[in-house]
Amino acid sequence: QKEVEQDPGPLSVPEGAIVSLNCTYSNSAFQYFMWYRQYSRKGPELLMYTYSSGNKEDGRFTAQVDKSSKYISLFIRDSQPSDSATYLCAMSVGGSEKLVFGKGMKLTVNP
Amino acid sequence: KAGVTQTPRYLIKTRGQQVTLSCSPISGHRSVSWYQQTPGQGLQFLFEYFSETQRNKGNFPGRFSGRQFSNSRSEMNVSTLELGDSALYLCASSLGNRGGDEQYFGPGTRLTVT
Repeated sequence: QKEVEQDPGPLSVPEGAIVSLNCTYSNSAFQYFMWYRQYSRKGPELLMYTYSSGNKEDGRFTAQVDKSSKYISLFIRDSQPSDSATYLCAMSVGGSEKLVFGKGMKLTVNP
Repeated sequence: KAGVTQTPRYLIKTRGQQVTLSCSPISGHRSVSWYQQTPGQGLQFLFEYFSETQRNKGNFPGRFSGRQFSNSRSEMNVSTLELGDSALYLCASSLGNRGGDEQYFGPGTRLTVT
């Protein structure tokens, strides 16, 4: 079993849709959870960073962490064509900078 | 504040050769981590350096090595290149003081081995 599982998609939605991206993990030692966005042929860009269970909101983005279920989510409201990218979840244990990534979900938002 | 920079951006090498990639972290960041990204395996952790010391290492062969300088800039070296080493190599920097810090990635170096 992989430490971090992420549905690779691809996912195609119309502009304005609410998008839900999810990852599950098996290592209960993970304490820090991140979502990255990666455009084609670019480096990953940090979108959201959380370290506790619950929700964190930043503009159109909401990150949700459920440590009891070992499940994290990223919600994108009012999706835009510029949101078309690959979204990667990543997590690390306490005391370590090593990130373990999901495989990434390719999202396309159609105008 | 300038972001993470990586040089060169593109490289083409032949099997058996060696290559050195460079990464300059965000000013004030002392931790530099390296990752390999391929379509099949996704993003995989290579190693992390903090204050010129390797603090963590992933499951890659010894052909992959790195170092960090006193100004926190880092280099990684791959010797005896194989076709399977073709990938996007990314470095990420963070403050690194407590572990689990926010990490910021550079644009990557795309290595093609022929």
